Amino acid sequence: DIVLTQSPDSLAVSLGERATINCKSSQSVLSSSNNRNSLAWYQQKPGQPPKLLIYWASTRESGVPDRFSGSGSGTDFSLTISTLQAEDVAVYYCHQYYNTPDTFGQGTKLEIK
Amino acid sequence: QVQLQESGPGLVKPSQTLSLACTVSGGSISSGSRYYWSWVRQPAGKGLEWIGHIYSGGSTNYNPSLKSRVTMSVDTSKNQFSLKVISVTAADTAIYYCARCGGPPTFDYWGQGILVTVSS
Repeated sequence: DIVLTQSPDSLAVSLGERATINCKSSQSVLSSSNNRNSLAWYQQKPGQPPKLLIYWASTRESGVPDRFSGSGSGTDFSLTISTLQAEDVAVYYCHQYYNTPDTFGQGTKLEIK
Repeated sequence: QVQLQESGPGLVKPSQTLSLACTVSGGSISSGSRYYWSWVRQPAGKGLEWIGHIYSGGSTNYNPSLKSRVTMSVDTSKNQFSLKVISVTAADTAIYYCARCGGPPTFDYWGQGILVTVSS
């Protein structure tokens, strides 16, 4: 199985500041067939299901604010929130869909400093 | 707007079978082969685990860690798909989510989740 390791486990950032969450994969998730990275990011607020934010490592899902961006390739990826809003408090997960079984990172808890 | 809703017992005894259904509204479960229908679970306070998925035609793909105990099925007449997990233990206690996996194969629509507790 592909293991995804997120860092940090938790993060406290001031409102209006930048937040960056990292995700490292145990093997490359770059597909040679389409030259895309099979890596997605989700946001989960308490009591809610996860919400898809980013897919193909950097493509924003429809309706997701543009302060959310994804980057990286191969084995190293990041999710950045450019200016943190109060409603961004949540747990964030990366997800690889390159290989079966699909796997998720352990999650990063984002809080307001 | 596609919506998914899980249903089933919230309490299952150890060694028995967990059975859940997911009803899809706002779209047909059998709309071509573009989508597959998935189950993901999350123990309280922990991370996400993909259980498996099923296509509307009935073909399945399961997480090897659960494959020996899991069966998924689809009922297109009810616009519903289902999950069965046999021989459950306390380790199967979790919130179970059904989700749509589209193209790209990411989970773009989720149910609200149903808490299943395994306890005598």
